[in-house]
Amino acid sequence: EAGVAQSPRYKIIEKRQSVAFWCNPISGHATLYWYQQILGQGPKLLIQFQNNGVVDDSQLPKDRFSAERLKGVDSTLKIQPAKLEDSAVYLCASSLKGFGQGEVGYENIQYFGAGTRLSVL
Amino acid sequence: AQSVTQLDSHVSVSEGTPVLLRCNYSSSYSPSLFWYVQHPNKGLQLLLKYTSAATLVKGINGFEAEFKKSETSFHLTKPSAHMSDAAEYFCVVSYSGGYQKVTFGTGTKLQVIP
Repeated sequence: EAGVAQSPRYKIIEKRQSVAFWCNPISGHATLYWYQQILGQGPKLLIQFQNNGVVDDSQLPKDRFSAERLKGVDSTLKIQPAKLEDSAVYLCASSLKGFGQGEVGYENIQYFGAGTRLSVL
Repeated sequence: AQSVTQLDSHVSVSEGTPVLLRCNYSSSYSPSLFWYVQHPNKGLQLLLKYTSAATLVKGINGFEAEFKKSETSFHLTKPSAHMSDAAEYFCVVSYSGGYQKVTFGTGTKLQVIP
């Protein structure tokens, strides 16, 4: 099956500019995640969608970051305006479910895209 | 609340020798635990997962991990390192209470010396 697609792979912008990233999850996956991975750190969840609704955006800097998943399929993440500290790899992941009580079953395994490497100069 | 600690940021082994990557977790609930691998310029790939069915979990490429509740550990091991194992490894704790809450460790970079 096709994996999680992300574009672009690389982006270089100057601070205060805007940038947008796109993600197309695996077909049929209800849950979509955006992560920020700063060099030398583990991925940090920015926002989690269940279909087209947001279930967790507690770590999203809402003054400059926004994300949408209008039809419950693909998603865009936008930064406006960008800061130097936004330089990172932005990862998109999807899972079949991502919800439910108790332990995480196979339906909740996350599949990751290759990421978009953003450099803010 | 949950967290995960990877005790070593870098591990270096010789090819053909055993690999041990350490991970400790804390969780208020019974967690699920994962190890992911990230090769340079590649996406994260699931190595193995623990979801309470068995404490010793076997994954891909000869890796395995043992869940030890008393030690709150989920260390990743492999009997014999291969050059292709050089990558960054992430331990992940997850709990599903309504929706899945995922926390990544900071990663361990594995170097394999020929």
